[in-house]
Amino acid sequence: AQSVTQLGSHVSVSEGALVLLRCNYSSSVPPYLFWYVQYPNQGLQLLLKYTTGATLVKGINGFEAEFKKSETSFHLTKPSAHMSDAAEYFCAVTSGGGSYIPTFGRGTSLIVHP
Amino acid sequence: NAGVTQTPKFRVLKTGQSMTLLCAQDMNHEYMYWYRQDPGMGLRLIHYSVGEGTTAKGEVPDGYNVSRLKKQNFLLGLESAAPSQTSVYFCASSYSGTSAKQYFGPGTRLTVT
Repeated sequence: AQSVTQLGSHVSVSEGALVLLRCNYSSSVPPYLFWYVQYPNQGLQLLLKYTTGATLVKGINGFEAEFKKSETSFHLTKPSAHMSDAAEYFCAVTSGGGSYIPTFGRGTSLIVHP
Repeated sequence: NAGVTQTPKFRVLKTGQSMTLLCAQDMNHEYMYWYRQDPGMGLRLIHYSVGEGTTAKGEVPDGYNVSRLKKQNFLLGLESAAPSQTSVYFCASSYSGTSAKQYFGPGTRLTVT
């Protein structure tokens, strides 16, 4: 079984501040991990993903995430928030072993203040 | 490429009415998925398909049916709509399964009164 927990349904930061969105997962086999972003009235689009190899993954728009097996975490960060980063962010996990059904977290809404 | 498209974008139904949502992708993807998104619930998988002619149930399949007669299309049907099916519906596709990214459509906003 696999599951995803996103801590905090809303995160508020000032423009220029560090963005940290938290994601913890549960998986009985090595996981594949994803972060997606959803802008208002749009579908989701992939920010970054971890499959194997380097545990620090860089994505689009300056975001990155680090896979920490010991902490079962895959937190998303960005050094300096822009107003355009305001959106809903979803963490997702797919377990290896032939499963192709991703499990999504409930989402975190990022609010960026000027 | 258009990517993943969904028809219609908006729809209002009365309780008991039926409708079909169409998803089309032009990327020759094998896997297609239907999700519903409700506030505070994230995305929940309704049904999915791993190839033409195949379908399978997801987390919340009750009240929905699907068909994948052509590789590029994935249809979601509501036979007798209920207010609990008021939601935003997203279709997604991917080239393969486990490690592949999903491409999402723009969504269909459905209201059942």
